[in-house]
Amino acid sequence: EVQLVQSGAEVKKPGESLKISCKGSGYTFLSHGIGWVRQMPGKGLEWMAIIYPAYSEATYSPSFQGQVTFSVDKSITTAYMQWSSLQASDTAIYFCARRSRLGLHFDSWGQGTLVTVSS
Amino acid sequence: QSALTQPPSASGSPGQSVTISCTGTSSDVGTYNYVSWYQQHPGKAPKLMIYEVGERPSGVPDRFSGSKSGNTASLTVSGLRAEDEADYYCSSYAGSNNWVFGGGTMLTVL
Repeated sequence: EVQLVQSGAEVKKPGESLKISCKGSGYTFLSHGIGWVRQMPGKGLEWMAIIYPAYSEATYSPSFQGQVTFSVDKSITTAYMQWSSLQASDTAIYFCARRSRLGLHFDSWGQGTLVTVSS
Repeated sequence: QSALTQPPSASGSPGQSVTISCTGTSSDVGTYNYVSWYQQHPGKAPKLMIYEVGERPSGVPDRFSGSKSGNTASLTVSGLRAEDEADYYCSSYAGSNNWVFGGGTMLTVL
């Protein structure tokens, strides 16, 4: 069974750093891109970036370029999103999603990680 | 790129059909037949319902169908059921490893 399991909820202060994770299992991790999607409180889905584990290369939405960093650890089939300095506006649920191997859609989603940034 | 345009809400009675539109541009929906639709129940992760405009993943009821004309894609839910009440998001590939989502439509089953 394909699964994407994300790390748990985080509460941070402005200016702090954070790294959240998304562990893939039940499939060949290197064969699928991992997309990241933001959902701010009460709002819609926003596509942030996609990273391809085979190459560790990420393509960022212009809206998020420079705001966050994406990476993978192939040895433990895990993708990461990282902030160096959080802002209150980063408060949101962040989803990872597996890109279909042959298609251009996301066929399996993580459960989401709630990040709350508050002083 | 700008978000795709969806109506904020839609509704229908059980058994009826409802269609949700998703309008993009010639840079996304109009160029690529890679429009997908996702269903999201409150507090849950999105679920893929339609991909490549009108294809259904296994397990998704055939009451869900998709189409596209020009820069506008549509999701039709036939034979509405209570469990269809959810938020629905369209998404389109926009080239160069970029994607764009719609603003979402809240579907209410009356």
